[in-house]
Amino acid sequence: AQSVTQLGSHVSVSEGALVLLRCNYSSSVPPYLFWYVQYPNQGLQLLLKYTTGATLVKGINGFEAEFKKSETSFHLTKPSAHMSDAAEYFCAVSNSGGSNYKLTFGKGTLLTVNP
Amino acid sequence: NAGVTQTPKFRVLKTGQSMTLLCAQDMNHEYMYWYRQDPGMGLRLIHYSVGEGTTAKGEVPDGYNVSRLKKQNFLLGLESAAPSQTSVYFCASSYYSQGGSPLHFGNGTRLTVT
Repeated sequence: AQSVTQLGSHVSVSEGALVLLRCNYSSSVPPYLFWYVQYPNQGLQLLLKYTTGATLVKGINGFEAEFKKSETSFHLTKPSAHMSDAAEYFCAVSNSGGSNYKLTFGKGTLLTVNP
Repeated sequence: NAGVTQTPKFRVLKTGQSMTLLCAQDMNHEYMYWYRQDPGMGLRLIHYSVGEGTTAKGEVPDGYNVSRLKKQNFLLGLESAAPSQTSVYFCASSYYSQGGSPLHFGNGTRLTVT
């Protein structure tokens, strides 16, 4: 079985501050891990993914995430928040070779960026 | 290049009515998916398709039917709508089904069942 826990349904930061969105997963086999972003009234789009290899993954718009097997975490960070980063962020895990049929999404974290 | 297009964007149904949601993609993707998104629940897979003429059940298939008569289209049907089906529905497609192939999403259909 696999599951995803996103800590904090709502995170608020000031413009220019560090963004940290937390994701912990459970998986009985090496996982594929993803972060998707959803802007208002739009569908989700892929920010970044971890499959194998380098544990620090860089994505679009300056975001990155680090796979930490010992902590079963895949936290998303960005050094300096921008107003345009305001959106809902979803962490997802697949433990079946990265199968999209077996993708489990977290409940989402809404990021608010204050001027 | 429109990507994934969903029709309609909004719909209100009465309990017991039926409707069909249309999803069209122009990326020549083999794999297509229907999800529902409910507050605080994330996304849950309803049905998916691995190619033209094929469909399969996802995590929450009850009360829904799907068809994939053409590679570019994936239809989601509600035969007898219930208030529990009030949700935002997203269609997605991907080039591969494995290896972390990215999902490409449409902008969603907001359905209210009264």
